[in-house]
Amino acid sequence: EIVLTQSPGTLSLSPGEAATLSCRASQHVASDLAWYQQRPGQAPRLLIFGASRRATGVPDRFSGSGSGTDFSLTISRLEPEDFAIYYCQQYVTSPGTFGQGTKMEIK
Amino acid sequence: QVHLQASGPGLVKPSETLSLTCTVSGYFISRGHYWAWIRQSPGKALEWIGSVYYSGTTSYNPSLKSRVTISVDTSKNQFSLRLTSLTAADTAIYSCARVASLTPSYYPADNFFDPWGQGILVTVSS
Repeated sequence: EIVLTQSPGTLSLSPGEAATLSCRASQHVASDLAWYQQRPGQAPRLLIFGASRRATGVPDRFSGSGSGTDFSLTISRLEPEDFAIYYCQQYVTSPGTFGQGTKMEIK
Repeated sequence: QVHLQASGPGLVKPSETLSLTCTVSGYFISRGHYWAWIRQSPGKALEWIGSVYYSGTTSYNPSLKSRVTISVDTSKNQFSLRLTSLTAADTAIYSCARVASLTPSYYPADNFFDPWGQGILVTVSS
């Protein structure tokens, strides 16, 4: 089973700043990686799939990059609604697995 | 717009069986796609439990396969989860989701998920 390690565990930033979240896979996953956002009390929402493809309706301040084992999610200018938990998921092999999440909090 | 809503008991006793239902609106299950259950136990990562196709074909996470049954009822546009022999380790938020497909007429059982329904907290305790 592929293990995904997300860092940092918590990221404290201010609105307007840029954020970079990391996801490292224990094995090569090509570009079969997705990112989700989960706001408090809400269901997870797909942001990125294929490592860099934005899902429908996702603002262009969100971008994904990477391939192989190292991936990043960048939010160019944080809006108040962006403070949430972010999860990565690999789906190159079954069972797909998730990272533990990065919590983005307001500084 | 596709919407999923999970329902079921919030408290179940150890050794008993959990039954949850996910009702889908805005999309007919029989059109395609696999439909999945995912859970998150306290302090642990999200875990894919398994998926079901409208025909009844299923795919399960090997870690839970011996205790899981996922079924579908296309007449009600619902799919269901049954998890047996519960322990405290099964305490989790259980969510339902559609398994995404990028290619028309090709529907993988385990892929990324979009959209998700609101999860339901299930506590296993006597």
